[in-house]
Amino acid sequence: GENVEQHPSTLSVQEGDSAVIKCTYSDSASNYFPWYKQELGKGPQLIIDIRSNVGEKKDQRIAVTLNKTAKHFSLHITETQPEDSAVYFCAAAISGSARQLTFGSGTQLTVLP
Amino acid sequence: DTAVSQTPKYLVTQMGNDKSIKCEQNLGHDTMYWYKQDSKKFLKIMFSYNNKELIINETVPNRFSPKSPDKAHLNLHINSLELGDSAVYFCASSPGLDTSYEQYFGPGTRLTVT
Repeated sequence: GENVEQHPSTLSVQEGDSAVIKCTYSDSASNYFPWYKQELGKGPQLIIDIRSNVGEKKDQRIAVTLNKTAKHFSLHITETQPEDSAVYFCAAAISGSARQLTFGSGTQLTVLP
Repeated sequence: DTAVSQTPKYLVTQMGNDKSIKCEQNLGHDTMYWYKQDSKKFLKIMFSYNNKELIINETVPNRFSPKSPDKAHLNLHINSLELGDSAVYFCASSPGLDTSYEQYFGPGTRLTVT
């Protein structure tokens, strides 16, 4: 089955700096890669996703890049703000299948004011 | 107007007891899930239901029994609670079985077994 590894487990940045979280996956058939943000006391929420037919996707301060050859993908947050502080999860799946999402182990991002 | 709601938010109980967690979604979605998040924040799927039919049952002890009375509800009943069951349980829903659909998570139920 799919295995997703996520690094780092914790990340502290100064407000205004950039943050990068990296994930690798094992199943070359995976073609859908979402990122979820979990704020304290809440459930995870989808913030961005990417499919294997593109290498990069941006949404305002958030971007995700995908390298299918190396089987890794990354989340980039620019101009970080205190409200970006949360746990971020990457995941991998096969689009069009009923197989469940495989989540990474999460990254606790802290943005220091 | 909560999309996915769970009750209760907190549940403290003793070993050996039986408890239930309720989940409701008002999004009109066909698929619902239960996830367990352990103390290290690791998220693992337990069950998924599509149109009230069980689709995925990961290696979860049979003390856990989900029940879907209709498409909008997926409840989780746990028998003979053990210390290791302490975790946060999340209900989620999505428009369909395709794993590329966004999953909408509830606020979670923190279960503490003493």
